[in-house]
Amino acid sequence: DIVMTQSPDSLAVSLGERATINCKSSQSVLYSSNNKNYLAWYQQKPRQPPKLLIYWASTRQSGVPDRFSGSGSGTDFSLTISSLQAEDVAVYYCQQYYDSPRTFGQGTKVEIK
Amino acid sequence: QVHLVQSGSEVKKPGASVKVSCKASGYSFTSHGISWVRQAPGQGLEWMGWISTYNTNTDYARKFQGRLTMTTDTSTSTASMELRSLTSDDSAVYYCARVVVYEVFDSWGQGTLVTVSS
Repeated sequence: DIVMTQSPDSLAVSLGERATINCKSSQSVLYSSNNKNYLAWYQQKPRQPPKLLIYWASTRQSGVPDRFSGSGSGTDFSLTISSLQAEDVAVYYCQQYYDSPRTFGQGTKVEIK
Repeated sequence: QVHLVQSGSEVKKPGASVKVSCKASGYSFTSHGISWVRQAPGQGLEWMGWISTYNTNTDYARKFQGRLTMTTDTSTSTASMELRSLTSDDSAVYYCARVVVYEVFDSWGQGTLVTVSS
C-alpha cells in the first residue's frame, strides 16, 4: 500500500498569513504515460464530510477559492493557503489515487494563531 | 445539484452486520462510481472500496475483503454497503462519496454513525 505522510500534524497561522501543508508518498504517484500526479487534497471541518479542494496535485476544484493552491510532483506535494481566513480552520488530508487501495494522509489540523 | 443522502445511525452488537445506504440525486447515477470511506472517532479517513454504478464491478480494500459487500440499485439511484462480523474497531462514521477523475471524491454523503457495542 502507498503510505501518505503529512507534515506537520498541526499548525497555527495568523489571519492573512500563509499556511503550507506537506504530503509525502511512499512511492511516486506520477503516472509517466500522461505526466499526471494522482494526488488530491480535501478539507474537513468539524462535524462535516470532507470537501474536495485540489486534484491532479494542482487543479483546483470548481468553486474553491484561489487562495488554495497545490504543487509538487512524484512523491512530494504541498497545499498552500496564501492568506488564511477564519473559515479555513479545518483538518486537511492528502489522498493518492494512483493505486488501490486509495490512501489518505493522517491529516493536518490548521488553526488560527 | 448533486446530493448523496445516507441512512441513519446504527447501533450494533459485536458479530452483527450493518447495511448503510446512500441515495444519489442531481446527476446520472450510472455515470459515476461510488466509494465508501470511514472515519473512526477522532481519526483520519480510511478508504473501504469502490463500486461501479454502471456494471457493479467492485474494488475492496484488502483488509475488508470477505466481510464487505457493496451493491447498487439503479432503479432508485441507491448504493449500499454491508459490513459483517462487526467489532468495536468498526465503530466509525461511514461516508459514501461520488467518484470522479479516476478516484477523486467530489461529493459526499452526510455520514452515517455506526456504533458497535455490547
